[in-house]
Amino acid sequence: EIVMTQSPATLSVSPGERATLSCRASQSLSTNLAWYLQKPGQVPRLLIYSASTRATGIPPRFSGSGSGTEFTLTISSLQSEDFAVYYCQQYSHWPPVFGQGTRLEIK
Amino acid sequence: QVTLRESGPALVKPTQTLTLTCSFSGFSLSTRGMCVSWIRQPPGKAPEWLTRIDWDDDKYYSTSLKTRLTISKDTSKNQVVLTMTSMKPVDTATYYCARIRCADNLVDYWGQGILVTVSS
Repeated sequence: EIVMTQSPATLSVSPGERATLSCRASQSLSTNLAWYLQKPGQVPRLLIYSASTRATGIPPRFSGSGSGTEFTLTISSLQSEDFAVYYCQQYSHWPPVFGQGTRLEIK
Repeated sequence: QVTLRESGPALVKPTQTLTLTCSFSGFSLSTRGMCVSWIRQPPGKAPEWLTRIDWDDDKYYSTSLKTRLTISKDTSKNQVVLTMTSMKPVDTATYYCARIRCADNLVDYWGQGILVTVSS
C-alpha cells in the first residue's frame, strides 16, 4: 500500500499571505494525486485532481503542481475561509490513500 | 440530484458486527460506470478508504481490513450495504458512503456520514 506523507503537520500563515503545502508518495503516482479541504463537521471538498486541475468552482488562488512522488498545493493569497485541514490523496493504485493532513491555521 | 445517506447503529459493542446501509438517489448502480465506496474517518484523523462496489458487481477491499469487510448492493432498492466484523474501539469513526468516479476513485458525491462508536 502506498504511503502518503504531508508536511508540515501544521502551518501558521497570516491572511493575504501565500501558503505552500507538500505531499510525498512512497511510489510514483504519475499525476494521479488529488487535494481536498475539510472544515470541522463537513465532508472533504475536492480542490485539485490530476495534480494540477482545479475542480469545478474552485478559485484560481488554489494551484497544484508536481508529478511522480512530490506534489505541492499553493494558496496564493489566503482568505479567512481557507483556514482548514488539507489532505492529499493518491488514486494511482488501489486502495486510494489519504495523507495525514496539514492543518492551516491563522497566524 | 444525487444524494446518499448512511444509516445504522450509532453504538456497537466490541466484537460485534457492524452493518451500515447507504441509500442513494439520483443515479442507478446498475448503470455502467457507476461505483460506490465506503470511507471512514476517525475523530481528528485522515479519511481511510474501506471498500468499493461497481455497477458490474466487482468489489475491492482495503488491504488491511479485507478479512473483516463485506460490501453488497441491492439495485432494486438503490442501496449498498457494508458489513464489518469483530468491531474494536479503534474502529470508532464517521463512516461515509460516496459515489465515486470508477476510472480514478475520485469522490464526486459524499453522504453526510454516520458516527459509529465502539464501546462496551
